[in-house]
Amino acid sequence: DIQMTQSPASLSASLEEIVTITCQASQDIGNWLAWYQQKPGKSPQLLIYDATSLADGVPSRFSGSRSGTQYSLKISRLQVEDIGSYYCQQAHSNPLTFGSGTKLEIK
Amino acid sequence: EVQLVESGGGLVQPGSSLKLSCVASGFTFSSYNMHWIRQAPKKGLEWIALIYYDSSNKYYADSVKGRFTISRDNSKNTLYLEMNSLRSEDTARYYCAKDYSALYYFDYWGQGVMVTVSS
Repeated sequence: DIQMTQSPASLSASLEEIVTITCQASQDIGNWLAWYQQKPGKSPQLLIYDATSLADGVPSRFSGSRSGTQYSLKISRLQVEDIGSYYCQQAHSNPLTFGSGTKLEIK
Repeated sequence: EVQLVESGGGLVQPGSSLKLSCVASGFTFSSYNMHWIRQAPKKGLEWIALIYYDSSNKYYADSVKGRFTISRDNSKNTLYLEMNSLRSEDTARYYCAKDYSALYYFDYWGQGVMVTVSS
């Protein structure tokens, strides 16, 4: 199975700050990676797919990048509505696997 | 508008069975692969099952293989998860999710249904 190692587990940042979350895949998954946001008490929402493509309706302050088997989600200017948990997910092969999540709070 | 509405959750004893349903609307259900994903209380997301649009292929996480069965009825726009031999570690909120263009991403999620396995 492909392991997704996500960091940090939690993050506290100020409004308008740049935030970066990373995921390391245990093997080559190409661009088969997605990022999800889960606001408190809500279902997850797709943010990024194919490592860098923005899902419909997602603000442009969210972006994804890849360097080898390391993937990053960047929030360019943190807003209050961005608080919640973030998960990466590999879509390369079954079983599909998620990272352990990053809980983002406002400082 | 895409909607996914799960039902069938509840409190059950270890070793018992339960069947979840997910009614889909707002898209051509019979054209899309569908998934079940769960989240234990205060924990992360765990993918557990996938069924192709035509039921030709089904895949499971090792944690549920042999105990859970995913199925669908395209005439009723409904996805199912039959859960047998339930264990305390199956306690979680169960989400159904629509596959994004056969790419194994999840572009729409239901609100989830809670399953609690406890004596």
